[in-house]
Amino acid sequence: KQEVTQIPAALSVPEGENLVLNCSFTDSAIYNLQWFRQDPGKGLTSLLLIQSSQREQTSGRLNASLDKSSGRSTLYIAASQPGDSATYLCAAQASGGYNKLIFGAGTRLAVHP
Amino acid sequence: DAGVIQSPRHEVTEMGQEVTLRCKPISGHDYLFWYRQTMMRGLELLIYFNNNVPIDDSGMPEDRFSAKMPNASFSTLKIQPSEPRDSAVYFCASALGNQPQHFGDGTRLSIL
Repeated sequence: KQEVTQIPAALSVPEGENLVLNCSFTDSAIYNLQWFRQDPGKGLTSLLLIQSSQREQTSGRLNASLDKSSGRSTLYIAASQPGDSATYLCAAQASGGYNKLIFGAGTRLAVHP
Repeated sequence: DAGVIQSPRHEVTEMGQEVTLRCKPISGHDYLFWYRQTMMRGLELLIYFNNNVPIDDSGMPEDRFSAKMPNASFSTLKIQPSEPRDSAVYFCASALGNQPQHFGDGTRLSIL
């Protein structure tokens, strides 16, 4: 059974810092790994999707990497801004379950001015 | 373009009452998902549909929970009878094939 863990659970940083959020998964037989953002009282917004054959994806100040062999993914946020404050969740899509995602508990990020 | 639309946004009801949550997926999407989010258990998949057919309902916690998708533009999640431990935020999401899922803003359910 796939389990997804995110570390740290919460993070508070000053504006401008570069930061790394970590995600680990127990079953390396994944189809892809996705990162989402959740703002308070809102649903999830997809940020990046890394296919199992890929090593990383980039979108603006965000970069996500995937290492299937070690069961890890990282989300790198460059030059953090207060608007980045949110909860970030990673999710592993199982190879055996079409579009079925297993989510981590999330990292709650606060970027203060 | 309209995203995934859920109603109601908030629901407060007494234990034992029937609760119906509604979802309108994005037009053209062929997958629809129901999730539940709590502090203790995080985000859990309850059930998902492909082309209106339930594919995997292994996450539905008990027989008190049921979900239907009578057509491509509407789905319901019912809880009957409701219990305080059902209190959570329920999300609906839709997707086209294996593209990323699009989430609604959720229904915050409180059972007293």
